[in-house]
Amino acid sequence: AQRVTQPEKLLSVFKGAPVELKCNYSYSGSPELFWYVQYSRQRLQLLLRHISRESIKGFTADLNKGETSFHLKKPFAQEEDSAMYYCALSLSGGTSYGKLTFGQGTILTVHP
Amino acid sequence: DTGVSQNPRHKITKRGQNVTFRCDPISEHNRLYWYRQTLGQGPEFLTYFQNEAQLEKSRLLSDRFSAERPKGSFSTLEIQRTEQGDSAMYLCASSLGGWARAYEQYFGPGTRLTVT
Repeated sequence: AQRVTQPEKLLSVFKGAPVELKCNYSYSGSPELFWYVQYSRQRLQLLLRHISRESIKGFTADLNKGETSFHLKKPFAQEEDSAMYYCALSLSGGTSYGKLTFGQGTILTVHP
Repeated sequence: DTGVSQNPRHKITKRGQNVTFRCDPISEHNRLYWYRQTLGQGPEFLTYFQNEAQLEKSRLLSDRFSAERPKGSFSTLEIQRTEQGDSAMYLCASSLGGWARAYEQYFGPGTRLTVT
């Protein structure tokens, strides 16, 4: 069965500092990886997906199949980045595509 | 508001009672998902529908849980004979079908269930 691990429950950085939120997964096939974000008093929403190779709000994430990791990075954190971040995995084929397995989440706090 | 809506937002019930939650997805979305989230954990998949067909149900879901989407629009999640362990936030999400779009799920605000 697939599993997603986010080793840090809490992460604090100062504004302008680089930030990296860690995500490791276990799955024997080729998964699809995502980052979802929940800002204070808002709904959970998709931030980015690995196959898009986009930079969203300055965030990027690279899928490293050798290390089974999908860490989220931003070179200069902003106060508005403070939120709960979830790494999520989905199978890429069969009838289970779209079914997401989430990690436990990391609360990011960016201090002024 | 054209987003996913869920009702009620909060439900307090006594152990042993039945509860039913409703989810109204974004109108053009044919996929609908139910997740459960307990304190300190990420959302956990429960079940999902494509139109009115329930395609998958988590093995963690006991027989006390049932979900329907009778006309392929809104969905209901019923929990029979509630237990204290059922206390959680129940999240609904919807998406377009097709593998390229199914991952972009739009979440509702959730229904927080407290079983006393």
